[in-house]
Amino acid sequence: GNSVTQMEGPVTLSEEAFLTINCTYTATGYPSLFWYVQYPGEGLQLLLKATKADDKGSNKGFEATYRKETTSFHLEKGSVQVSDSAVYFCALKASSNDYKLSFGAGTTVTVRA
Amino acid sequence: NAGVTQTPKFRILKIGQSMTLQCAQDMNHNYMYWYRQDPGMGLKLIYYSVGAGITDKGEVPNGYNVSRSTTEDFPLRLELAAPSQTSVYFCASSFPGTGTGELFFGEGSRLTVL
Repeated sequence: GNSVTQMEGPVTLSEEAFLTINCTYTATGYPSLFWYVQYPGEGLQLLLKATKADDKGSNKGFEATYRKETTSFHLEKGSVQVSDSAVYFCALKASSNDYKLSFGAGTTVTVRA
Repeated sequence: NAGVTQTPKFRILKIGQSMTLQCAQDMNHNYMYWYRQDPGMGLKLIYYSVGAGITDKGEVPNGYNVSRSTTEDFPLRLELAAPSQTSVYFCASSFPGTGTGELFFGEGSRLTVL
């Protein structure tokens, strides 16, 4: 079946540090990949996405590249801020005909001033 | 923009009680979903709907029921609450016509069953 595995947290960083959250996936076809972010007390919101191999999604200084050869979609940000403290979810949409997302367990990130 | 609205935000139930979590969206989205979020477990799909009058089970449907009488509303019913249903529940919607696959989430409903 289709599934997503992301690194366990929590992750605690200082401001301006480099952030990486690993995400790998298992899928039978050609999935689309997403990163969602959940700020404290809020619902999830889309951070970035990539729909085919070698695509790079980017938003708010975050980037992730769809690597089919390693079945990965790692999230990176070069210099985090306190406002980046949130829970980050990697997610997979199995195919263009599918409309459900499979989510990873989430990674809690705390950025200290 | 209201987006996806869930009520209530918090609720405490006793074992065996029943309740309905309400979800409404004003974006004219065809597809709606209910997820539950448990610590360290990510989000699990409970039920989903591809349009009014059509619903289907997700990964963890036991103990829940849904209905979709209108495009806007997608309530989730718990008939006999159990401690295992203590969780945060998220409603979401999407419009597949955009091709992005993006889901729009409500703010969540935190349910505690004691």
